[in-house]
Amino acid sequence: QKEVEQDPGPLSVPEGAIVSLNCTYSNSAFQYFMWYRQYSRKGPELLMYTYSSGNKEDGRFTAQVDKSSKYISLFIRDSQPSDSATYLCAMSERDFNKFYFGSGTKLNVKP
Amino acid sequence: ETGVTQTPRHLVMGMTNKKSLKCEQHLGHNAMYWYKQSAKKPLELMFVYSLEERVENNSVPSRFSPECPNSSHLFLHLHTLQPEDSALYLCASSQAAGTTEAFFGQGTRLTVV
Repeated sequence: QKEVEQDPGPLSVPEGAIVSLNCTYSNSAFQYFMWYRQYSRKGPELLMYTYSSGNKEDGRFTAQVDKSSKYISLFIRDSQPSDSATYLCAMSERDFNKFYFGSGTKLNVKP
Repeated sequence: ETGVTQTPRHLVMGMTNKKSLKCEQHLGHNAMYWYKQSAKKPLELMFVYSLEERVENNSVPSRFSPECPNSSHLFLHLHTLQPEDSALYLCASSQAAGTTEAFFGQGTRLTVV
């Protein structure tokens, strides 16, 4: 079983839609949860990170962590064509220089 | 500009060649990483260096050889690679242990022919 599972998509939505991206994981020791955005031919760019459970909001983006269900989500409100990219979730145990990534979900926001 | 620079951006090499990938970070971080990104697969951690010492080697074949001469530079030396080694190789850096934000370079697209 993979440490982190993520639906590869592709996910296609109209402009202005609310997008929900999700990951599940198996390691209950994960403490930090991150979302990266990767445009074509570029390296991943850190979007948001959260520690332990709860919500974090940054502009149109909201990250949620449910440790009891081992489930994390990234919501994008009022999605834009410029949001079209691959979104990767990543997780890490505390005090450990190692990141576990999902395989990424490709998002296409149509004008 | 992310503060992590990788060169070259693209590399085509034969199976008998020797080449090196270079990574440089300008963020004052103490940990650096090499990742491999193949199509439709999760990022695979290859090597971790913390304070210039290798702390993790995820059973990577010996045809990949990392070098970290100082906390700002990281190399990946390549020799006798296989076509299945073709992938995007990403370098990342982060602060010392306990900090989990990783900043990535743009990657080197490697094609082995």
